[in-house]
Order: sequence, then structure tokens, then C-alpha cells
Amino acid sequence: KQEVTQIPAALSVPEGENLVLNCSFTDSAIYNLQWFRQDPGKGLTSLLLIQSSQREQTSGRLNASLDKSSGRSTLYIAASQPGDSATYLCAVAQMDSNYQLIWGAGTKLIIKP
Amino acid sequence: NAGVTQTPKFRILKIGQSMTLQCTQDMNHNYMYWYRQDPGMGLKLIYYSVGAGITDKGEVPNGYNVSRSTTEDFPLRLELAAPSQTSVYFCASRPGTSGRGAYEQYFGPGTRLTVT
Repeated sequence: KQEVTQIPAALSVPEGENLVLNCSFTDSAIYNLQWFRQDPGKGLTSLLLIQSSQREQTSGRLNASLDKSSGRSTLYIAASQPGDSATYLCAVAQMDSNYQLIWGAGTKLIIKP
Repeated sequence: NAGVTQTPKFRILKIGQSMTLQCTQDMNHNYMYWYRQDPGMGLKLIYYSVGAGITDKGEVPNGYNVSRSTTEDFPLRLELAAPSQTSVYFCASRPGTSGRGAYEQYFGPGTRLTVT
């Protein structure tokens, strides 16, 4: 059974720092991996989607990498800003399901001004 | 486009009561999903639909029912509410056509439900 883990559960860093969020999964037979942002009282927003055949995706200050063989993905945030404060979740789509997403519990990120 | 809308935003139910959580999307998406998120946990799939008239169970379907009579609407029904159903419920949709954008899910703002 696929399990998705995100460590750490919470992270606090000063504004301007570059940072890395981690996501690991136990079954490498995935279709893709997605990173989402969750703000309090709001829904989730898709940030980046990496297909299983890709190594990384970039959007602005965000870069997500995927190492399927080791079951790891990272989300790199450059020059962090207070507006980046949110919970970041990763989710993997299994190859053998009807595209059901398996979710990590998230990393709560606080950027201190 | 309003995207994915959910009503109500908050609800308190007594044990044994029933209610329907409403979800509507105006993006003409084929796929729709209901998730629940418990505190400090990731999302778990309750039910999903691949198009009008077609629904299927997800990981945690017990205690819930769904219907999909139109492309736009995907209501979630709770029968005989129990404290274990206290959670935040999210509805999501995705296009489901070919191409990379087919797999990006769009989420509603959620419904916070408390059963006491």
C-alpha cells in the first residue's frame, strides 16, 4: 500500500532564505506527483505537477524534483517571502488506480518577516 | 468562472442527523472528487465520479453517499452522522481530457463539519 510521508511537519525560517520541503513515497509505480499549497480557510491550490518520466518542474521561485527510484520529491522555494507561509502537501497518483491521489500530511511553513 | 464552490462553509450536526454537502463546478470538468481531511492528516478520498451518472468508492466511503446527475453538481450525503465524521470536507474537479492539464485538480474552499 502506497504511503506518502512529509518531513518536517512544520518549518519556520527567516524571510529571504532558500528552503527545501521533502516528500517520500513507498511505491515507485506512480503516474505523477503533485505539490499543493493550502491556506487556512481556503481550498488547495495546485503548484506543480511532475510526470513520472520527468525529473523536475519549475514555476517562478518554485522548483520541484522527482527521483522515482528512491521514492523522493523535493520542493525548493527560493528567496522565501512571508506570503509563502502556508501548508504544503504532496500527493502521488498510483499507476494501478483510477488516478486516485495518495496524500502526505503536509509541511506547515512559516516565513518570519 | 467561480471554479469549485461548496456549501455550507460550516455546519454542526447532532449524532444521528443527516445532511447534504453541496459541490458545484462551472469548468465543465468530467472528474469530481470528495475528500475529507482530519487534523494534521493528509486528504482521504471518499467518493469520485468520472462523469454524469458514474460514481465509485474511494478509500473511506462508509457512512456517505453521492450522486452525479449533472456534470456540474456532485453532492455528498451523510446519513446518521457520527462523531467520527467530524472533519473538513473538500470537493475537487479536474478536466479529465488528454494532456498535462487533465490531471490538475481544482479545489473548493471546504466545509468544516462538527458532529456532537
